[in-house]
This record gives sequence, C-alpha cells and structure tokens, in this order.
Amino acid sequence: AQKVTQAQTEISVVEKEDVTLDCVYETRDTTYYLFWYKQPPSGELVFLIRRNSFDEQNEISGRYSWNFQKSTSSFNFTITASQVVDSAVYFCALWPDSGNTPLVFGKGTRLSVIA
Amino acid sequence: EAQVTQNPRYLITVTGKKLTVTCSQNMNHEYMSWYRQDPGLGLRQIYYSMNVEVTDKGDVPEGYKVSRKEKRNFPLILESPSPNQTSLYFCASSSYEVNTEAFFGQGTRLTVV
Repeated sequence: AQKVTQAQTEISVVEKEDVTLDCVYETRDTTYYLFWYKQPPSGELVFLIRRNSFDEQNEISGRYSWNFQKSTSSFNFTITASQVVDSAVYFCALWPDSGNTPLVFGKGTRLSVIA
Repeated sequence: EAQVTQNPRYLITVTGKKLTVTCSQNMNHEYMSWYRQDPGLGLRQIYYSMNVEVTDKGDVPEGYKVSRKEKRNFPLILESPSPNQTSLYFCASSSYEVNTEAFFGQGTRLTVV
C-alpha cells in the first residue's frame, strides 16, 4: 500500500527561525516520485518540488531545502529564516510509478510563522 | 500559459440538485484527476483518468461521476449532491514525462445545503 505520513499537524515558529517539516512515505515500488505542495490561505495548491526515487541528491532553492533519504523513507522540507509569507499548509505527496496509481497525499502540516 | 482551469470557484447548491464542475487543461496531459480536501483528512482522490475514455475510481468515488471524452476536459458530476459532499475540490493534470509536476486547478468550494 502507498502511504504518506506527515506527523506534524501544526507548527508555530517565530519569524527568522528555521523549521523542518517531516514526511515519511511507504511504497513497495522501486520507482516513484515525491512532491511538496504549499497551500496558502487563498487555497490554491502551489507546486514546490518533485523528486524521483533515483535521485537522492538534496536540493536547495533559496530559503527552501529538501532532504531525501531512501534508507528512512523520508523526504523532509526545511525553511530557513522563516517569514510570515511562509504561513500555509504544506503537503507531501507520493506518486508510485506502477501503472494506475493515484498521487497519494499526506494530511498536511499547517505552519504558522509569527512576526 | 500552462494551466488547469476549474469552474465555478464557488458554488452553493441544494441537496439533490445535479451539478457539474468543469476542469480543462491546456498542456495536452494524459493524466487527469479529481481530489476533495476536507479538514483533518488532507486530499483524497475521487476519480482519475489515464487518457481519453479511460477513467477509474480513486479512494472516495461514491456519489460522483466523471467523463473523459476529450483529452483537455475532465468534468466532475454530482448527480444528487448531499451535504457530506460539501468540500473543497481540486482538479489536477500531469504528463507521464519525467520531472513534470502535477498541475492543480484553483479549487472549487462547494457547499450543499
């Protein structure tokens, strides 16, 4: 079965703090894709990153960085020097490559950055 | 501009009155799907389509229908809406090519009274 667990339901940080959002996934597929999406208060889903299972390189994009570790089935997301505009719900998702399988989402982590 | 367009953005309707939420993408994507988002439950897939005339049930298909007569369109049909279908709905599309994202529409907030 495919599953994504985001254990942190809500996180509050003070502006400029670093924060890590955890994502643990389960799949029996050897080929799969992992995603992070941001959902700001306006409601739309904003794509942040896609990573395939064969690429374990960590990625940095500005204040955002992602740590992919196949050994622990984790794909964690860190925001450095958080800002109020980072306040949103963040979703981790898994898309196995085995034919007719859907994109499976975690339940999301609500991040509140306080000024 | 690459996009997924859903309409309407907001809808309030009464129990039992048939409605359709439209979804259209301009990227020639093969794969399209519908999700509903509910507090504490995250996003759950309703139906998906691998290509024209190919649709299949997701995790929560009861009370919904879909069709895929053209590649660009994937409407979601509620034949007899009920209050438990009050939710935020998202349409998504994607290509099978490597390193592409799943594009989402802006969402449709549906209230059934």
